[in-house]
Amino acid sequence: EIVLTQSPATLSLSPGERATLSCRASQSVSTYLAWYQQKPGQAPRLLIYDASNRATGIPARFSGSGSGTDFTLTISSLEPEDFAVYYCQQRSDRPPLTFGGGTKVEIK
Amino acid sequence: EVHLLESGGALVQPGGSLRLSCAASGFTFSNYAMSWVRQAPGKGLEWVSAVSASGGRTYYADSVKGRFTISRDNSKNTLWLPMNSLRAEDTAVYYCAKGYDSTIDSWGQGTLVTVSS
Repeated sequence: EIVLTQSPATLSLSPGERATLSCRASQSVSTYLAWYQQKPGQAPRLLIYDASNRATGIPARFSGSGSGTDFTLTISSLEPEDFAVYYCQQRSDRPPLTFGGGTKVEIK
Repeated sequence: EVHLLESGGALVQPGGSLRLSCAASGFTFSNYAMSWVRQAPGKGLEWVSAVSASGGRTYYADSVKGRFTISRDNSKNTLWLPMNSLRAEDTAVYYCAKGYDSTIDSWGQGTLVTVSS
């Protein structure tokens, strides 16, 4: 089973700042990695698929990069609605699909 | 627009059974593998099970293997998850999700399963 480790667990930033979230896989997942955003009481929402492709309707301030075992989600300038929990997920080696433990982006 | 509507969540005693349903619309259901993903209160996301587009292949997390059985009816655009021998650790919001071999790109709003005496 591929383990995904996200860091940091919590990121405290102000609106307008840049957010950099990390996801590391225990073995290569090529580019079969997705990023999701989840707000309290809501279902997750797909942001990025295949490591670097923005999903439909996702603003350009969200970008993904990486391949193999190291991946990054960058939010170039935080908007108030971006404060949420972010999860990475791999589909390279399945079953099982696996998710990272999440990074909470909170208002500083 | 993709719409996934789960139902069937409830309070159930340990050892009990429950069947979750997911009604799908807005896409060609029979073209996509489907998954169930759960989230325990205050915790992260855990993939539970998936079924291929045709329904011929099924996949399970080790934590539910032998207790949960995923199935689908492509004529009714419906996905099911019968759950047996429920445990306290199965308490979670259960999400129906579109995808498995392809990226999970859509999620339902979730249905809460609580296992408690």
